[in-house]
Amino acid sequence: DTAVSQTPKYLVTQMGNDKSIKCEQNLGHDTMYWYKQDSKKFLKIMFSYNNKELIINETVPNRFSPKSPDKAHLNLHINSLELGDSAVYFCASSDEGSGNTIYFGEGSWLTVV
Amino acid sequence: GNSVTQMEGPVTLSEEAFLTINCTYTATGYPSLFWYVQYPGEGLQLLLKATKADDKGSNKGFEATYRKETTSFHLEKGSVQVSDSAVYFCALLTGANNLFFGTGTRLTVIP
Repeated sequence: DTAVSQTPKYLVTQMGNDKSIKCEQNLGHDTMYWYKQDSKKFLKIMFSYNNKELIINETVPNRFSPKSPDKAHLNLHINSLELGDSAVYFCASSDEGSGNTIYFGEGSWLTVV
Repeated sequence: GNSVTQMEGPVTLSEEAFLTINCTYTATGYPSLFWYVQYPGEGLQLLLKATKADDKGSNKGFEATYRKETTSFHLEKGSVQVSDSAVYFCALLTGANNLFFGTGTRLTVIP
């Protein structure tokens, strides 16, 4: 079983569309994250949630809205997609039981055309 | 502030060569340190970690030692293989569970 799974893995969409990326973790972790990797491979945190509550919200356009229906899920919804949103989006999770080690999903490759 | 600096790539080595990828950090407090690896077309995988000074993380023949005096966490492997070709990321974890990454170093191992 994949510990942190996210779907879709690949997504190609037109500018202006709204899309969602789903994430689920079966590790029983309390904290979940979204990271963005740009075309130069640079990784930066976008959001973190602990037990469904927002903990970290970096400077991200408000077109990006995370939603955590329960502590095992953290979905990322993006409105009015722009070309610059093209990137790889990684979901991740951790908790004290893992020594706060952050485990990542396999990534979702988003291309906006 | 918190930041990670790692050597810029790309790095190209012949099979069985010795690998070092340098990583230094600045941090407030006492962070945990990590190396993640990203194989072509894949996601991020944890390679190894160290949670306190002088700890050595190791996995798959890779090693890194948490050096507080030099604020470093250099990645080493004695004999690389073609299958080690990937992008390697050094990272530090703050008390707020925020993971700061270096810019990544692309390693290519040629037969």
